[in-house]
Amino acid sequence: DAGITQSPRHKVTETGTPVTLRCHQTENHRYMYWYRQDPGHGLRLIHYSYGVKDTDKGEVSDGYSVSRSKTEDFLLTLESATSSQTSVYFCAISSAAEAFFGQGTRLTVV
Amino acid sequence: DAKTTQPPSMDCAEGRAANLPCNHSTISGNEYVYWYRQIHSQGPQYIIHGLKNNETNEMASLIITEDRKSSTLILPHATLRDTAVYYCIEPTGNQFYFGTGTSLTVIP
Repeated sequence: DAGITQSPRHKVTETGTPVTLRCHQTENHRYMYWYRQDPGHGLRLIHYSYGVKDTDKGEVSDGYSVSRSKTEDFLLTLESATSSQTSVYFCAISSAAEAFFGQGTRLTVV
Repeated sequence: DAKTTQPPSMDCAEGRAANLPCNHSTISGNEYVYWYRQIHSQGPQYIIHGLKNNETNEMASLIITEDRKSSTLILPHATLRDTAVYYCIEPTGNQFYFGTGTSLTVIP
């Protein structure tokens, strides 16, 4: 799907452990985004990037950090996972026009 | 935060046109309106976008009012596979903020 891959697709982790989700693109798009989706909330923007080493917070950034050391990779890290971070996480890429989304990562924190 | 308003749900008979409205009354003069849909638990899928002229592609048509404060996405002949949540988005810069969208159910 538009050259965007999320990994892992599913993960179960314990409360308090660190977790890193990876978004990889082959389109050389400038912008990359991380969203979470929970029932009744639609998609909410966590962090986004507008270039290598250039990132900014979205609407629900608390408890998350990101890094983009290469154009093609955007990493989302939960430093100490909590049960409230159980969610489906979507990555998206954009070249300043329409955005294309990955297939999602289902994260369960127990 | 999302700057658009959509009805939470709609039904449409199979084969009929589905007209999904969106209010974006705070839109600025140079911001596009984008439409996406999400089928079940898949990633959102881009449908169409426009600035002030009506747009049409192989998936849908987009009608934007002259004052640009609202728009309507038209699926001309809805099929069961069009059952999905449809999101109308007014980006803030290059940030896409989603609301809760309209859940469209196409009825056989």
